[in-house]
Amino acid sequence: DGGITQSPKYLFRKEGQNVTLSCEQNLNHDAMYWYRQDPGQGLRLIYYSQIVNDFQKGDIAEGYSVSREKKESFPLTVTSAQKNPTAFYLCASSWSGGPTGELFFGEGSRLTVL
Amino acid sequence: AQSVTQLGSHVSVSEGALVLLRCNYSSSVPPYLFWYVQYPNQGLQLLLKYTSAATLVKGINGFEAEFKKSETSFHLTKPSAHMSDAAEYFCAVSPGGTSYGKLTFGQGTILTVHP
Repeated sequence: DGGITQSPKYLFRKEGQNVTLSCEQNLNHDAMYWYRQDPGQGLRLIYYSQIVNDFQKGDIAEGYSVSREKKESFPLTVTSAQKNPTAFYLCASSWSGGPTGELFFGEGSRLTVL
Repeated sequence: AQSVTQLGSHVSVSEGALVLLRCNYSSSVPPYLFWYVQYPNQGLQLLLKYTSAATLVKGINGFEAEFKKSETSFHLTKPSAHMSDAAEYFCAVSPGGTSYGKLTFGQGTILTVHP
């Protein structure tokens, strides 16, 4: 079945450590996205990539980094510079062949900083 | 610029009652509008979308939404709530074109269904 796989589902980190969240898709979508979700704040865009080897900052990119070396993969690194990293992180992808922008989401990764 | 406002962070209904979740949007271009549902600790699933065709859009699980340009609204309804409808619902807007996928989401509405 086609879909988006995020791992790990739960992750605990000590302050000062970098962590990398994995996102893999087999939908053959060109575009991929990372959103952060906090209670009562909806989803906020961290980074997005419309093609391989290219990506753009979203609304809250500070303290995060990404890479897009393969079409199928878009890992997110939460660096020690991110001041409040505890959140639910969602990866999504979309088809670039049409204008509507419908997103397909993974199951999410919950990061807790101890 | 675009924005989405969901009126009511929590909505509670009885099983079998009408579900009405409100969404108002602001967009400088004709928008594409979406409703997503999220169950606890899971990703978002698309319920329905408006893409400038019919203004009344039918989605999965018996939900529908009506696009009203004059009111800049896209409210989500279901005639009869079921216990399995309990979840968080998000309205989102996209300007389309080259900005596809850069959705702006509302704050979410948690729907509780009482027996």
